[in-house]
Amino acid sequence: QVQLVQSGAEVKRPGASVKVSCKASGYTFTSYGINWVRQAPGQGLEWMGWISAYNGNTNYAQKLQGRVTMTTDTSSSTAYMELGSLRSDDTAVYYCARDHHYWGQGTLVTVSS
Amino acid sequence: QSVLTQPPSVSGAPGQRVTISCTGSSSNVGARYDVHWYQQLPGTAPKLLIFGNNNRPSGVPDRFSGSKSGTSASLAVSGLQAEDEADYYCQSYDISLSGWVFGGGTKLTVL
Repeated sequence: QVQLVQSGAEVKRPGASVKVSCKASGYTFTSYGINWVRQAPGQGLEWMGWISAYNGNTNYAQKLQGRVTMTTDTSSSTAYMELGSLRSDDTAVYYCARDHHYWGQGTLVTVSS
Repeated sequence: QSVLTQPPSVSGAPGQRVTISCTGSSSNVGARYDVHWYQQLPGTAPKLLIFGNNNRPSGVPDRFSGSKSGTSASLAVSGLQAEDEADYYCQSYDISLSGWVFGGGTKLTVL
């Protein structure tokens, strides 16, 4: 069965970077892209961007351009999302999603001094 | 401000029927991109409820149904049950943004 398992919670200082992983199993990793979505406390869902696991092509939300980098490691079927220059309003649960059907469990990133 | 517009809240008594609207534009819902609906319980990841405008994944009760017309879509929940109390989000694709767009979410309260 398709599974996306994300890395554990992180606490970061303002200005630092965080890298969240999303390990896929149960399907051919390179046949699908991975979307990243985040949700701030008490807020709605925000799409962050997408990466092709086939060729690494990316498309980032304009709001995050320059701060976000999405990569994949096909040898381990893992996608990564790195967000830099963290601010307090980056505190959120970060999700990876293969498509509408399959989502990771979420990773809480807390940005606090 | 979300690209897709949903009412912040809806409510209904057990057994009743409620609908949640989702209004987009010509660059997403109106551009014939599918609308998908998610249910989110506190502290959990969104769960796909309706995909491709009106299709239910296996295991989703037929009390949940979706529809789409023009630049809008709707989620209907009939025979309301206490367990339906949750946040609901619509989602589509936007050609201008080249990515997913979401509604702001609707909190369903079962009275």
